[in-house]
Amino acid sequence: GEDVEQSLFLSVREGDSSVINCTYTDSSSTYLYWYKQEPGAGLQLLTYIFSNMDMKQDQRLTVLLNKKDKHLSLRIADTQTGDSAIYFCAEWLFGNEKLTFGTGTRLTIIP
Amino acid sequence: GAVVSQHPSWVICKSGTSVKIECRSLDFQATTMFWYRQFPKQSLMLMATSNEGSKATYEQGVEKDKFLINHASLTLSTLTVTSAHPEDSSFYICSASPGLAGGNQETQYFGPGTRLLVL
Repeated sequence: GEDVEQSLFLSVREGDSSVINCTYTDSSSTYLYWYKQEPGAGLQLLTYIFSNMDMKQDQRLTVLLNKKDKHLSLRIADTQTGDSAIYFCAEWLFGNEKLTFGTGTRLTIIP
Repeated sequence: GAVVSQHPSWVICKSGTSVKIECRSLDFQATTMFWYRQFPKQSLMLMATSNEGSKATYEQGVEKDKFLINHASLTLSTLTVTSAHPEDSSFYICSASPGLAGGNQETQYFGPGTRLLVL
């Protein structure tokens, strides 16, 4: 299967951590990506992880992968107003040679 | 690095006219480029995969005669919406992959998008 699912909305207070979740269905070796989209703009690649890894950290961003549950999360530490955007997880499927995107999670920062 | 540009950023046209959108990889060569369409408050839908020097591969349900794709060089792909109609109004986003030269041949870098409004 190629379904990638995300919750649609997340609200977080400024300064708190944001955790955006994603589930996927394909169990093959794969790359999993997080992209950020601000209003009216294209997608900005934030980070990615290969499916043989459990965790990847890059400054304020931490990606956790639970292969058994096919669950991917993106944690943003010390969330700022500039983090307001839609966050898409995406899975690269070998064989299909294309990205499958989740529905996107709209992150809203509460002052 | 890995910058992708699109031109124009937005376009308004009359129904029945054709519109060409350019996608360029500015600091890398892209053997593969992808064209997506995004409706308001929805995710991205892959339209086609464009390989340099060969015909594009279209996703199911995408009319190849309606959406003409040309990938004439390693840094440029074009999408032409022929005989555009109001239902073609959408946000079109391209992406490009640097291939093995970028370390991860599957990673795609996205352009800023082109908003098309057909009146």
